[in-house]
Amino acid sequence: AQSVTQLGSHVSVSEGALVLLRCNYSSSVPPYLFWYVQYPNQGLQLLLKYTTGATLVKGINGFEAEFKKSETSFHLTKPSAHMSDAAEYFCAVSRSYNTDKLIFGTGTRLQVFP
Amino acid sequence: SQTIHQWPATLVQPVGSPLSLECTVEGTSNPNLYWYRQAAGRGLQLLFYSVGIGQISSEVPQNLSASRPQDRQFILSSKKLLLSDSGFYLCAWTSGGPAGTQYFGPGTRLTVL
Repeated sequence: AQSVTQLGSHVSVSEGALVLLRCNYSSSVPPYLFWYVQYPNQGLQLLLKYTTGATLVKGINGFEAEFKKSETSFHLTKPSAHMSDAAEYFCAVSRSYNTDKLIFGTGTRLQVFP
Repeated sequence: SQTIHQWPATLVQPVGSPLSLECTVEGTSNPNLYWYRQAAGRGLQLLFYSVGIGQISSEVPQNLSASRPQDRQFILSSKKLLLSDSGFYLCAWTSGGPAGTQYFGPGTRLTVL
């Protein structure tokens, strides 16, 4: 069965520092992988997704993620954090080939300090 | 362009009272629709899923129910709220397909007292 693990429920960085949010998945089939961001009291917004093809995926707001099959990982990175990046981030994996249902991780709250 | 609406934005209800939350999607037809609940620190829990009018799949047993009376309308209901029903309720839609993006509404904050 598919599952997602996000390591670290809270991550703190200084403004301008590298952001690294970790996501590992378990899937019995080649996965479709997603990162979503949620600002306080708002819905989730797609940052990026991996379906097939290039394993380095670029998303909005300068974020990118790399699909590493050998490590079953899909970590999210941004070279330089901005105060506006403070939010909660969710990694998700598709349940199977024939459904659009997703399994979400428990989320990582990113704090950015000046 | 497509938009998704939820209302109300916030709701405070006493235990035992009924509930009705509404979600509507504009700019698309025959979407797949979802209801999620987000409790503090617990991620997203899928509650209901619908692929068409009158077609509802329940993911977890609970005192909530869902209905889809129209193609782009999805309603979450309860006859008697419990304290444990408090949370942030999110509606989402997709156009279908396993790689499809889920588009989320702004959410409803429900507090049961």
